[in-house]
Amino acid sequence: DAKTTQPPSMDCAEGRAANLPCNHSTISGNEYVYWYRQIHSQGPQYIIHGLKNNETNEMASLIITEDRKSSTLILPHATLRDTAVYYCIVSPGDDMRFGAGTRLTVKP
Amino acid sequence: GAVVSQHPSWVICKSGTSVKIECRSLDFQATTMFWYRQFPKQSLMLMATSNEGSKATYEQGVEKDKFLINHASLTLSTLTVTSAHPEDSSFYICSVQRVAGVAEETQYFGPGTRLLVL
Repeated sequence: DAKTTQPPSMDCAEGRAANLPCNHSTISGNEYVYWYRQIHSQGPQYIIHGLKNNETNEMASLIITEDRKSSTLILPHATLRDTAVYYCIVSPGDDMRFGAGTRLTVKP
Repeated sequence: GAVVSQHPSWVICKSGTSVKIECRSLDFQATTMFWYRQFPKQSLMLMATSNEGSKATYEQGVEKDKFLINHASLTLSTLTVTSAHPEDSSFYICSVQRVAGVAEETQYFGPGTRLLVL
């Protein structure tokens, strides 16, 4: 079974921040949290990853709680093109197996 | 990041024929590649882990004699669906693994190959 749990779906208004949560309460000390997304009919796309510090890149920010049992992916200004399924996985613990992810729908 | 290509992007074949799908890592050498299958409205299902120069490791329930994987070079892995049947129709996706440090293993995915078996 996957080491992560995510809500099945979320909506977000265009231009607003999208905050996608992920629980990984059994994460081990050397395991990274990875986020990927899959836009309809395309291969998944790497977004960001982190170990314990918060991370930011041109696509998103990743906030990891101090106990590392959960994290939040933040898309600061969601656009319609951010509508996708977002996957949170723990590596190498999840061993490259994906859960169901969160289907984010950005609405105008 | 990394650039990964797959060929073909889509293929239609008759039942009983074999189909080969190529996955190429275009900008770095990948010791490990992965093959996934995705059915409509479902998540990615890991089929096998492909290691350069050695036999692939298949997930439980995936027939290794039906889904032949060859990883002969650090930039190319191939998946051959042998004697394809309509139930093999799916979206096949490969990924390459880039290792930056201990346990820091990022995957970069190809665009996928859509297979339709008639």
